Amino acid sequence: GESVGLHLPTLSVQEGDNSIINCAYSNSASDYFIWYKQESGKGPQFIIDIRSNMDKRQGQRVTVLLNKTVKHLSLQIAATQPGDSAVYFCAERANTDKLIFGTGTRLQVFP
Amino acid sequence: GAVVSQHPSWVICKSGTSVKIECRSLDFQATTMFWYRQFPKQSLMLMATSNEGSKATYEQGVEKDKFLINHASLTLSTLTVTSAHPEDSSFYICSARDTRVDGYTFGSGTRLTVV
Repeated sequence: GESVGLHLPTLSVQEGDNSIINCAYSNSASDYFIWYKQESGKGPQFIIDIRSNMDKRQGQRVTVLLNKTVKHLSLQIAATQPGDSAVYFCAERANTDKLIFGTGTRLQVFP
Repeated sequence: GAVVSQHPSWVICKSGTSVKIECRSLDFQATTMFWYRQFPKQSLMLMATSNEGSKATYEQGVEKDKFLINHASLTLSTLTVTSAHPEDSSFYICSARDTRVDGYTFGSGTRLTVV
């Protein structure tokens, strides 16, 4: 049966505005971080990554910021579009090959 | 780019039966693959790390005798859910590590429903 779990936090933004999605990671030894986008019924889709020797990385319409002091990661999406509506996860890698996922944030874009 | 194919995309099975899910890396070799489970409105939870030519490494709380993992080649890992029960109903997702670029590519997931 279906498990009852925590509902994902939701960020609602208007089309054209910038979105900022935040993530707190757990392991200070993590050396690699990835943001994924997941649409309903699909697997995670790579958005952007960053290594621990950097604090900022930019892609097309997206920017990832890393603050190792407070173990915080953020994803900024410029000029948010309806097609950006999805659930966004951060993932971290520490010591091993494993990627551990954060809790996720649902982004809703309204016209 | 790296592509991972996961099959089937959905499956319905009866309680007590076993179901096999396949994960293939199509254009690269993957010595390491990963299996995740995702319940509705929750995050991906790592179940196990699949290592080519050796035993899988299971996360704490995951029953290795129930979730059998085989990684017999550099491009294929399989997850078999044995004696499935309704509580095993979930979305199962595989991932393959591409060491050429130090990246991770995910399959499209398998929706398992046990009735």
